[in-house]
Amino acid sequence: DGGITQSPKYLFRKEGQNVTLSCEQNLNHDAMYWYRQDPGQGLRLIYYSQIVNDFQKGDIAEGYSVSREKKESFPLTVTSAQKNPTAFYLCASSIQVNQPQHFGDGTRLSIL
Amino acid sequence: GIQVEQSPPDLILQEGANSTLRCNFSDSVNNLQWFHQNPWGQLINLFYIPSGTKQNGRLSATTVATERYSLLYISSSQTTDSGVYFCAVETGGFKTIFGAGTRLFVKA
Repeated sequence: DGGITQSPKYLFRKEGQNVTLSCEQNLNHDAMYWYRQDPGQGLRLIYYSQIVNDFQKGDIAEGYSVSREKKESFPLTVTSAQKNPTAFYLCASSIQVNQPQHFGDGTRLSIL
Repeated sequence: GIQVEQSPPDLILQEGANSTLRCNFSDSVNNLQWFHQNPWGQLINLFYIPSGTKQNGRLSATTVATERYSLLYISSSQTTDSGVYFCAVETGGFKTIFGAGTRLFVKA
């Protein structure tokens, strides 16, 4: 089935550790996005990518990094510089920017 | 930057009732989307509606871009409609900005 797969569903991070969240899509979409959601709040854009080998910072990029080496993959690394990483992370894709976005099921990251 | 405001923040309905959710935005946008987030966190795209009116079953949406607002109508609500409804706008720089959401609970 076509869709967006995020893994893992739950992730625990120790202080000072980098972790990488996976996002894979088989929809042949050019654009991909990463959002962060804190409890009871809306989504905030971390990074987005319009096309392979290109990505742009969103509103809260500090402490995060991404790569877009393949069309179907857009991994997000939460670095030790992100002081409050506990949140729900959602990945989305769309055919192009400015088109309907479709979401994966998310990864819940917690600090040990 | 652009501000996106949704109202009401919380809504409780009896099953079968109708409701209207509102999204106001403070500047011109390239597009507007409505999403439903279920209690398990899954986000479903309901409408992509930069302007005009669309309908999908019991749901419909209207965006009046010149007046910078959009409305989501839910008719004959069901318990499965419970969750959070978000509107999101895309700006000229291709950034997507979400509102804080309307939390809906439909009682059986």
